[in-house]
Amino acid sequence: DSGVTQTPKHLITATGQRVTLRCSPRSGDLSVYWYQQSLDQGLQFLIQYYNGEERAKGNILERFSAQQFPDLHSELNLSSLELGDSALYFCASSSKGSPWEPQHFGDGTRLSIL
Amino acid sequence: SQQGEEDPQALSIQEGENATMNCSYKTSINNLQWYRQNSGRGLVHLILIRSNEREKHSGRLRVTLDTSKKSSSLLITASRAADTASYFCATAANMDSNYQLIWGAGTKLIIKP
Repeated sequence: DSGVTQTPKHLITATGQRVTLRCSPRSGDLSVYWYQQSLDQGLQFLIQYYNGEERAKGNILERFSAQQFPDLHSELNLSSLELGDSALYFCASSSKGSPWEPQHFGDGTRLSIL
Repeated sequence: SQQGEEDPQALSIQEGENATMNCSYKTSINNLQWYRQNSGRGLVHLILIRSNEREKHSGRLRVTLDTSKKSSSLLITASRAADTASYFCATAANMDSNYQLIWGAGTKLIIKP
C-alpha cells in the first residue's frame, strides 16, 4: 500500500461532461503529481503541485485543471470530455518539491468516456 | 521522440531465469529510476541510480547506468511469477526548462511457471 488514495476507482461518463478526480497524498508528502496513462501514449505528466502551489506543468490540456488544497489533497478537473480522454489517471506524491525524488503512486482512476 | 525508451517492449521467460530490460535516453540526467506496474495497479518505485553511480543492487534487482551511452539496464535475477508486470524507466531531467521525470513506454514482462 503506497499510502496514496485516489477516488473514484472507476468513472463512466459521456462526451461533453465534466468530472473531478480526487487524490489524498501519502502522509507528510507535500508534492502531488497527476499523470495520464493511455494505451497509445504511455505515462504522460500533467501537472505538479507543491504545498498548495503549482510547481510544474506538463502536457495538460486547457480543458483540464487541478488544485491542491490546504490539507494537501488534490483534485483534477476534466471538462468538455472527449472520447480520447478515456484513460487511467494517476496521482503520485513525494515528500519534497523536487520531481526528481521517488514518487509514490495511487492505484488510479479509470475514466471511460462513452 | 521519447526521452526514455525501454527495450524490449515485451519479454516472456521461464520462472527462475534472469530478465534484462534496457532503457535509453537522450539528454543529460540527474538520476534514473525504475518502477514496476502490476496490471490495474499504480506504479511502484523500485530503485534510483544517480548520474555519478554505475551500478546499484536491491535484493534480486541490479541496475546499471552508462551515461556515456545514455543507457541503463535492469536485471531481475531468479525470476518469479510475481515479477510479472510492466517495468518503466524514468529519467530525471530538465526538458525545456521543466524539471520532471520523463517516462518510457515500458517493458511488459511475463514470467511463465
